[in-house]
Amino acid sequence: EAGVVQSPRYKIIEKKQPVAFWCNPISGHNTLYWYRQNLGQGPELLIRYENEEAVDDSQLPKDRFSAERLKGVDSTLKIQPAELGDSAVYLCASTSTPTDTQYFGPGTRLTVL
Amino acid sequence: GDSVTQMEGPVTLSEEAFLTINCTYTATGYPSLFWYVQYPGEGLQLLLKATKADDKGSNKGFEATYRKETTSFHLEKGSVQVSDSAVYFCARTFGGATNKLIFGTGTLLAVQP
Repeated sequence: EAGVVQSPRYKIIEKKQPVAFWCNPISGHNTLYWYRQNLGQGPELLIRYENEEAVDDSQLPKDRFSAERLKGVDSTLKIQPAELGDSAVYLCASTSTPTDTQYFGPGTRLTVL
Repeated sequence: GDSVTQMEGPVTLSEEAFLTINCTYTATGYPSLFWYVQYPGEGLQLLLKATKADDKGSNKGFEATYRKETTSFHLEKGSVQVSDSAVYFCARTFGGATNKLIFGTGTLLAVQP
């Protein structure tokens, strides 16, 4: 069974540019998470989806970050405009039920110059 | 608020040495506790978990016991291998929800042959 797929794996952009990350969860997993992992830190939750509904986005910086999961399967996280401090690894995870173990993708490493 | 504190790294050991990575958590609610491992260039993988006091999680020779009296969940392995070199993250559920995780800052383990 395929794991969580993320693309791109690496992205380098200049500040003030937009960027988007894509995640395809494990088939059948209804719950999807986006995390941000700063260098030398643990992941921090940005947003959680149950199917197509964002049920927890309290830690998403809504002035520049947005996310969608239109059909309740794959998801896109966007930053517009990017700032230097957004440089991090963006991780996607999914679970089959809200109480199940989270399975992580390999992440997208964003560098903002 | 809810948090997880783990020992700073790097931890450098020789092959076959005994490993302990300390982890303590804030004693709020009844969290589930986890250890995740992140190999270079990869996403986080669940190593083991425990859902209630006195539970012992184990996997691949690693063990950790949920100690409520000391609010600890220390990771141990009797004999490490070079292939165990990775970053290890302790995590707990938070906010009363079983599917929201807060992570420690991670501990880098380097095993030398």
